[in-house]
Amino acid sequence: EVQLVESGGGLVQPGGSLRLSCAASEFTFSNYWMHWVRQAPGKGLVWVSRIHSDGSTTSYADSVKGRFTISRDNAKNTLYLQMNSLRAEDTAVYYCARDPSRGSGPFDPWGRGTLVTVSS
Amino acid sequence: EIVLTQSPATLSLSPGERATLSCRASQSVSSFLAWYQQKPGQTPRLLIYDTSNRATGIPARFSASGSGTDFALTISSLEPEDFAVYYCQQCYNWPPTFGQGTKVEIK
Repeated sequence: EVQLVESGGGLVQPGGSLRLSCAASEFTFSNYWMHWVRQAPGKGLVWVSRIHSDGSTTSYADSVKGRFTISRDNAKNTLYLQMNSLRAEDTAVYYCARDPSRGSGPFDPWGRGTLVTVSS
Repeated sequence: EIVLTQSPATLSLSPGERATLSCRASQSVSSFLAWYQQKPGQTPRLLIYDTSNRATGIPARFSASGSGTDFALTISSLEPEDFAVYYCQQCYNWPPTFGQGTKVEIK
C-alpha cells in the first residue's frame, strides 16, 4: 500500500525553525511531483509548496516564499520542508501529498499530517 | 490565482438522501478539477479527478460533472460514512487552489 508518513512537527516559538519530513514507501518516489499542503485548526486546505520528481523545480505559496524551503532525497524516499522565521499564522497540520499528474494535482494519497504550533 | 467558491457551506441531509455540492471557479479550469473528502480528524481522500473520474476504490454513488467554471459533486444516496467535509481543487493552473469546503451533516 502506498504510504506517506510525516514527522517533525511540534511547538516552536515565533521566529523559530522546524524541519518536516515525509517518508514515502511502496511506490517509486523518484517518479512523482510532491507537495506540502497545510490546514489551520478548523480551516480549509491551503497549498504550500511543490517539488519536481528530480528536485529541479520548486514552487511556493506567496505566504511562505523566502521562509520555507522544500527539498527531497530520492535515495532515501523522503520529502522535506525546512520552515524558518515561523509565525503564528503558520500554525497548522502539514500534509505531504503525492501528485500523479502534472505538478498541480490532484493529490493522491496524502499523509496523516504533522501538527506545527507556533506560539510563545 | 484561481478562486474556487463552494456552495452551500453546509448541507443538512438524512441518510439515503441525494446530495449535490457545487464548485464555481473564477476562471475556466477546463476539466482539471478534483474533489476530496475529509472526515473529522482524518486526512483528505481523493474522490474524483479530471472532473468526473472516480479515484481507486471510490463507490459508484459518488459522481461528478461540469466543465469550465461550474462543477458539481453528487452523492446519490447518502451512507452514514459520507457525512464529512468535501473540497474541490483546481489542477489547471499554478498555484493549485482549493475551495473553502462544503460540510455534509446529518439532519
